[in-house]
Amino acid sequence: EPEVTQTPSHQVTQMGQEVILRCVPISNHLYFYWYRQILGQKVEFLVSFYNNEISEKSEIFDDQFSVERPDGSNFTLKIRSTKLEDSAMYFCASAAGDTQYFGPGTRLTVL
Amino acid sequence: AQRVTQPEKLLSVFKGAPVELKCNYSYSGSPELFWYVQYSRQRLQLLLRHISRESIKGFTADLNKGETSFHLKKPFAQEEDSAMYYCALSVIGTGNQFYFGTGTSLTVIP
Repeated sequence: EPEVTQTPSHQVTQMGQEVILRCVPISNHLYFYWYRQILGQKVEFLVSFYNNEISEKSEIFDDQFSVERPDGSNFTLKIRSTKLEDSAMYFCASAAGDTQYFGPGTRLTVL
Repeated sequence: AQRVTQPEKLLSVFKGAPVELKCNYSYSGSPELFWYVQYSRQRLQLLLRHISRESIKGFTADLNKGETSFHLKKPFAQEEDSAMYYCALSVIGTGNQFYFGTGTSLTVIP
């Protein structure tokens, strides 16, 4: 059964550094999402992406964040200048319809 | 504003006992509701969705619009049901983003 994959599984970075989190959605899916989960808190929506553009974004998704689908398979989340409070688990999801399928997550630790 | 509430952070039941995980939502439109499960060290997996009205791994959930609830139930809990359960609301037309509850950690005691 096809699955969403994410790399790396764990990323450690220094505050102020740029990070790129990578996702490979399920191949025939058209909708792509990023969510984050700060330790001990709920899963929060960041952004949705369809037809090569952002369709919706939350208040969390400020100018420090960007998403890209650079080729036919990858979907990336970039954080330009990481802050301590960006430390969280980041989940990618993809969907063909209204059911979203999640990747295993990338744990981002900002020191 | 859309919101999903899962009032129980932790829930423990004995094996073979019935289990109910509560979920209430706040949304003025017609909701699409889901239950996701996260087993230890694994990804979020779809457990069931209200529009399919199916039973997965013995779990069922009925949408009650009057009470704005979508509680997850299973008549006889099994040890392998121990996991984190998240209720999610999908709002069509806003990029289909999900609003998640805070999750309930279910422990089934042997």
